[in-house]
Amino acid sequence: AQSVTQLDSHVSVSEGTPVLLRCNYSSSYSPSLFWYVQHPNKGLQLLLKYTSAATLVKGINGFEAEFKKSETSFHLTKPSAHMSDAAEYFCVVMGGNTGKLIFGQGTTLQVKP
Amino acid sequence: DTGVSQDPRHKITKRGQNVTFRCDPISEHNRLYWYRQTLGQGPEFLTYFQNEAQLEKSRLLSDRFSAERPKGSFSTLEIQRTEQGDSAMYLCASSSPGTGYSGELFFGEGSRLTVL
Repeated sequence: AQSVTQLDSHVSVSEGTPVLLRCNYSSSYSPSLFWYVQHPNKGLQLLLKYTSAATLVKGINGFEAEFKKSETSFHLTKPSAHMSDAAEYFCVVMGGNTGKLIFGQGTTLQVKP
Repeated sequence: DTGVSQDPRHKITKRGQNVTFRCDPISEHNRLYWYRQTLGQGPEFLTYFQNEAQLEKSRLLSDRFSAERPKGSFSTLEIQRTEQGDSAMYLCASSSPGTGYSGELFFGEGSRLTVL
């Protein structure tokens, strides 16, 4: 069965400093992995996705993630945090054959001025 | 706005009452999903429709829960005899038709249920 584990429930950074949100996955075959973001009172939004093409995936708002099979990781990074990046971030793996998504528990990103 | 819309946004009810949530997906999307999200947790899959057919149901969906999508457009999620443990945000998402599953779901803002 597929699953993801987000290693940090809360990450706090200063504006302008790098962001690292960590995610490990478990899958019996080559997974499809995603990062979704949830801003307060907004619907979940796709940030980026990995589907076995390039291992370095670029998403919206300057975020990117690298798929590392040897480490079973799919960490999300951004070189310079902005105040508007403060949100809940979910690492996600696609499970089964109906396109359903399996979410991690989420990481709250706080950006301090 | 042509995104996924959910109604009501908030519902407060007493234990034992029935509640119904409605989801209107993006018009050309034939795939529709329901998820439940409790405080501090990621969304959990409940059920999936392709057009009007309900193709998958999670074990989380007890007998008190029923979902329908009668004409392949809007969907309803009904909870009968609500319990305090049903308190959660109920999320609806839709995705476009295609030969495969892209993983890109478009989510509504959710319906928050509070059971007293």
